[in-house]
Amino acid sequence: DAGITQSPRHKVTETGTPVTLRCHQTENHRYMYWYRQDPGHGLRLIHYSYGVKDTDKGEVSDGYSVSRSKTEDFLLTLESATSSQTSVYFCAISSSGRDGEQFFGPGTRLTVL
Amino acid sequence: RKEVEQDPGPFNVPEGATVAFNCTYSNSASQSFFWYRQDCRKEPKLLMSVYSSGNEDGRFTAQLNRASQYISLLIRDSKLSDSATYLCVVNFPSGTYKYIFGTGTRLKVLA
Repeated sequence: DAGITQSPRHKVTETGTPVTLRCHQTENHRYMYWYRQDPGHGLRLIHYSYGVKDTDKGEVSDGYSVSRSKTEDFLLTLESATSSQTSVYFCAISSSGRDGEQFFGPGTRLTVL
Repeated sequence: RKEVEQDPGPFNVPEGATVAFNCTYSNSASQSFFWYRQDCRKEPKLLMSVYSSGNEDGRFTAQLNRASQYISLLIRDSKLSDSATYLCVVNFPSGTYKYIFGTGTRLKVLA
């Protein structure tokens, strides 16, 4: 299995609090992605990174920010969590951004009360 | 039209049966296609890439039909362990590295 970990694996928080999710990889892959998965929707891209300090928005980026200061770490921050951000968050990595397969982390279940 | 569409199922099939899923995509310029498998409450895992000439991996066969803009997954001799949700993934060459996921087709293989 690809070396991807996510932390925390589960989190319950209250509306209005900041939350940071961490994705860590040991594969030295250039591309990293944050997705959310909700019932009735496919995985939806929040943000992605194509290198250290190089990030871009996905289709559902409102309310989220990211940072990548090292190849191995990609952080997702909810500045002020809302109940609509209750979801399962998956990090993924890829060695090739266009034609490559992605490998996923185990996911983080976030509940915003 | 959704960018990537799948029949949500569930497809309930007996062990040993052959089952096929289709996935349609809207962007004719798409170049990369994949099938992923996702077990309940787990992360998606790559099942196979889909090549223009079609490809086979054991009991699994993937096909691409560019003219009609769909990909297919055929599973032969279904096993109980094949029960899962199958996600199709399409890369949209819009200048960004973007993969679009279908909502998945749920398969239940029955004893």
